[in-house]
Amino acid sequence: ETGVTQTPRHLVMGMTNKKSLKCEQHLGHNAMYWYKQSAKKPLELMFVYSLEERVENNSVPSRFSPECPNSSHLFLHLHTLQPEDSALYLCASSPGTALADTQYFGPGTRLTVL
Amino acid sequence: TQLLEQSPQFLSIQEGENLTVYCNSSSVFSSLQWYRQEPGEGPVLLVTVVTGGEVKKLKRLTFQFGDARKDSSLHITAAQPGDTGLYLCAGAGLGTYKYIFGTGTRLKVLA
Repeated sequence: ETGVTQTPRHLVMGMTNKKSLKCEQHLGHNAMYWYKQSAKKPLELMFVYSLEERVENNSVPSRFSPECPNSSHLFLHLHTLQPEDSALYLCASSPGTALADTQYFGPGTRLTVL
Repeated sequence: TQLLEQSPQFLSIQEGENLTVYCNSSSVFSSLQWYRQEPGEGPVLLVTVVTGGEVKKLKRLTFQFGDARKDSSLHITAAQPGDTGLYLCAGAGLGTYKYIFGTGTRLKVLA
């Protein structure tokens, strides 16, 4: 238990569906992250939020839309996804965005797009 | 684009054996991290190295950062089934706060 929870743990959706992934951290951290982990690619950073402001958007397609309503919660809204978007989506948090700040990862949401 | 190549990709060994996993790049990193990820879980940070040539030990795990800060190795002594998992290295480029992750080494230790 890392103090970062993600729901749902598994999600199957069609290409025309709209769904949201939720992440919550109980560590009092100020930074939160979304990563994508595919079977054949390195872990990819998607978005970074610091104090609820988006500070990084790594050329992610607009069908992925993040939302950070407060420093404890992070959402990833999904719409009109493609089968190649199937992956494990990991959320992480850290005290800040300094290199010395350890990132704590949640268990991930396994997403399958049909 | 900075890339971190890990080798080997897969490793299956018997309990009690020693092993070394490598993380290589042509880029210089200001710091490098190693993570272990178990099935159904997110990666967990094992160590961060920041100085060229630095060696850190964590029980049976020994981590080394290359002198030129372009590569790193993880050595496990007397591997145990509990060491099974995906080992990831992650490097932060000069002047950036972001870590990029390596391709991963999947280790299986058989009892």
